Amino acid sequence: NAGVTQTPKFRILKIGQSMTLQCTQDMNHNYMYWYRQDPGMGLKLIYYSVGAGITDKGEVPNGYNVSRSTTEDFPLRLELAAPSQTSVYFCASSYFLRGAQYFGPGTRLLVL
Amino acid sequence: KNEVEQSPQNLTAQEGEFITINCSYSVGISALHWLQQHPGGGIVSLFMLSSGKKKHGRLIATINIQEKHSSLHITASHPRDSAVYICAVSPVNTGNQFYFGTGTSLTVIP
Repeated sequence: NAGVTQTPKFRILKIGQSMTLQCTQDMNHNYMYWYRQDPGMGLKLIYYSVGAGITDKGEVPNGYNVSRSTTEDFPLRLELAAPSQTSVYFCASSYFLRGAQYFGPGTRLLVL
Repeated sequence: KNEVEQSPQNLTAQEGEFITINCSYSVGISALHWLQQHPGGGIVSLFMLSSGKKKHGRLIATINIQEKHSSLHITASHPRDSAVYICAVSPVNTGNQFYFGTGTSLTVIP
């Protein structure tokens, strides 16, 4: 099993550009999450999903969108990149509600 | 406001020392998690606790629900234990939200 995979590993965006961060898991987990991690700050939940077709906002959803068309995939969309979105983004999944999470390797995003 | 506070923020230990990292939280929870973030950035879940104590190898995690406090202990520390240790809580009545501490950076010197 590959676990949770994320692409790309690193990306530089110009202000106003758009991009999609990809996340895939092969563990048949219903629950998937997107977090951002800023220096000196704890992980912050952006969006989460409890199953295919069902998503909900987390603590810091502004500037992002998600979709969940399949159990495996949970892409995160940035429509108009801003410098404040410079961060490391982690995707995670879990089998149980509030259960142990499995994290992807992260995507480092720099918006200039 | 920070729902989860960890101490210390940074910790340096000699190889073989017993290490304790503390986590205090301010909300009612259904579970508490300890995570390890490696220097390369990868995050691994170590423990999930709702009561009592759990042990895995040289790592021990305890929780006191009444005092809203958890500790992570590392016995016979080793340089490969050097990492950031993150405490996270699953609060009740907020769906799938997790609140994370800012982490404790541990360096174990040979």
